[in-house]
Amino acid sequence: AQKVTQAQTEISVVEKEDVTLDCVYETRDTTYYLFWYKQPPSGELVFLIRRNSFDEQNEISGRYSWNFQKSTSSFNFTITASQVVDSAVYFCALGDTGTASKLTFGTGTRLQVTL
Amino acid sequence: GAGVSQSPSNKVTEKGKDVELRCDPISGHTALYWYRQSLGQGLEFLIYFQGNSAPDKSGLPSDRFSAERTGGSVSTLTIQRTQQEDSAVYLCASSSHRGFVRYNYGYTFGSGTRLTVV
Repeated sequence: AQKVTQAQTEISVVEKEDVTLDCVYETRDTTYYLFWYKQPPSGELVFLIRRNSFDEQNEISGRYSWNFQKSTSSFNFTITASQVVDSAVYFCALGDTGTASKLTFGTGTRLQVTL
Repeated sequence: GAGVSQSPSNKVTEKGKDVELRCDPISGHTALYWYRQSLGQGLEFLIYFQGNSAPDKSGLPSDRFSAERTGGSVSTLTIQRTQQEDSAVYLCASSSHRGFVRYNYGYTFGSGTRLTVV
């Protein structure tokens, strides 16, 4: 069975600090997909990134970066120089290649960035 | 439309009543998903539609839950004889293909319907 663990329930940082959100996954599939979504107070899930299991290259997008390590089954997300607008709940998700291509989500990490 | 639209945004209902939640996906999106987000939980998959058919409904928690999709567009999630444990945010997502397998993106989610059963 697929499982995603986000051990950090809530993180509080002061603006401009760097913060890393952890994600550990479990799957028996050899091909799978990993995602990060942001859920601001409005409630809508915003897609941030998708990573394929066969591509371990890390990615940077502006202040966001992702570290994918198959050896430790982790897909961590780092925000550099955090801003108040980054305050949200962040979900890591694991996608399968079955009929539905459905996602298994972690329980989310609430990030609070204060001035 | 420009995004996935869900209605109502909030619904309070009495225990035992039936409720209908509506999802209007992005025009042309053939794949549609329903997820449920309970307090303190991640999102859990409920059902997947491809066109009007539902090849995967494995996540529906009980036979009180049903969903349909008509015209390859709007979908309705119906919960009969609601219970307090049904209280959650119900999220709908759509995609122009079968999820994300071929394309480097994820689904587009709506803002959800917050259901409270009292």
